[in-house]
Amino acid sequence: GAVVSQHPSRVICKSGTSVKIECRSLDFQATTMFWYRQFPKQSLMLMATSNEGSKATYEQGVEKDKFLINHASLTLSTLTVTSAHPEDSSFYICSARDLGQNTDTQYFGPGTRLTVL
Amino acid sequence: GQNIDQPTEMTATEGAIVQINCTYQTSGFNGLFWYQQHAGEAPTFLSYNVLDGLEEKGRFSSFLSRSKGYSYLLLKELQMKDSASYLCAVQPGGATNKLIFGTGTLLAVQP
Repeated sequence: GAVVSQHPSRVICKSGTSVKIECRSLDFQATTMFWYRQFPKQSLMLMATSNEGSKATYEQGVEKDKFLINHASLTLSTLTVTSAHPEDSSFYICSARDLGQNTDTQYFGPGTRLTVL
Repeated sequence: GQNIDQPTEMTATEGAIVQINCTYQTSGFNGLFWYQQHAGEAPTFLSYNVLDGLEEKGRFSSFLSRSKGYSYLLLKELQMKDSASYLCAVQPGGATNKLIFGTGTLLAVQP
């Protein structure tokens, strides 16, 4: 299957700082990527849909000014957690939509563990 | 709204069969996925159903009834490595084909 990478895999930061997480599709072009957040022992919660070349679409209750999404190319989307606080500590997972010939599948990245002190 | 329900936890014995149920109520329906997720890792794709019936793939099978808003994942010949969370996800439709995930079922396989 297709490969999606995330960087960094783990990050620890101080409260009030900003953290950028990258999501890359390595062997296909993804006009659409998705960002999820997962708290311990809970399921994945969709935060936003990242669209190449246009603004992201945020789910209800997700602050767009706090979670900045940029999808500048067909293989890269970034999520920036601005002014991070301890309650933002979570597992952030991206997925990339492979909309090739005869396929429409989401492939998940390995996730980024964010800890805000 | 969107609502996808699964049992929170299940326990089964190595070598046995287990069925994990998923019920959904969504604004639309464009397909249902099952994913496996080990702790601290990303979900991995198991199965996809869009039509009613059973899809079999090795030890794993998935069933869908669209009229009942119901699916199940069947795991046969359970192995210890099958201990993981199993996530049911529905595509309600729309241009982006986003996924809405259920609560997840944590399966513990015991010797």
